[in-house]
Amino acid sequence: KAGVTQTPRYLIKTRGQQVTLSCSPISGHRSVSWYQQTPGQGLQFLFEYFSETQRNKGNFPGRFSGRQFSNSRSEMNVSTLELGDSALYLCASSSNRGSETQYFGPGTRLLVL
Amino acid sequence: ILNVEQSPQSLHVQEGDSTNFTCSFPSSNFYALHWYRWETAKSPEALFVMTLNGDEKKKGRISATLNTKEGYSYLYIKGSQPEDSATYLCAFIHDYKLSFGAGTTVTVRA
Repeated sequence: KAGVTQTPRYLIKTRGQQVTLSCSPISGHRSVSWYQQTPGQGLQFLFEYFSETQRNKGNFPGRFSGRQFSNSRSEMNVSTLELGDSALYLCASSSNRGSETQYFGPGTRLLVL
Repeated sequence: ILNVEQSPQSLHVQEGDSTNFTCSFPSSNFYALHWYRWETAKSPEALFVMTLNGDEKKKGRISATLNTKEGYSYLYIKGSQPEDSATYLCAFIHDYKLSFGAGTTVTVRA
């Protein structure tokens, strides 16, 4: 089975721009979760999607949004980028609930200048 | 925001030595605890899913124990090898989502 894939792997943006990140889960997995990691911080939960519905959300501002398509692929969007949004963004898939074992993608490293 | 703490933040181990480190989590409303290993330039990889008080899991030289009443889990590495060098993350499950600790970074010196 192919693993979780994320595109792009690296991204450089400037403040005020917006960005869209993409995640393709393991075939058959219906839950996709997104996490942010900044230096010195653990993985911070952004949100989880299941069957095209956001099922859970972390404590992030409304600039962070996402969606999931009928094939379970998910996108995450960050609008009006700030310097503090520079981070590694990981997505993870699981077969059903977001509380099950997470299978992580390689991440997208975003740098905001 | 749930407080999941891991200690120490980092440790250096001589090859062949054994080591252990801790994950502390809220002891109420326990559902499950995950352990992940995150090697440099790779994706986090699941090690264990622990659900019951007194759980002990083992995978090769790595094992974990769980105490839900006092809110902690230990991860043990026996006979450390250079390939064990990684950041080890624990994640506390609540409301069907994961709260991760900041991790313990293990460096095994040959």
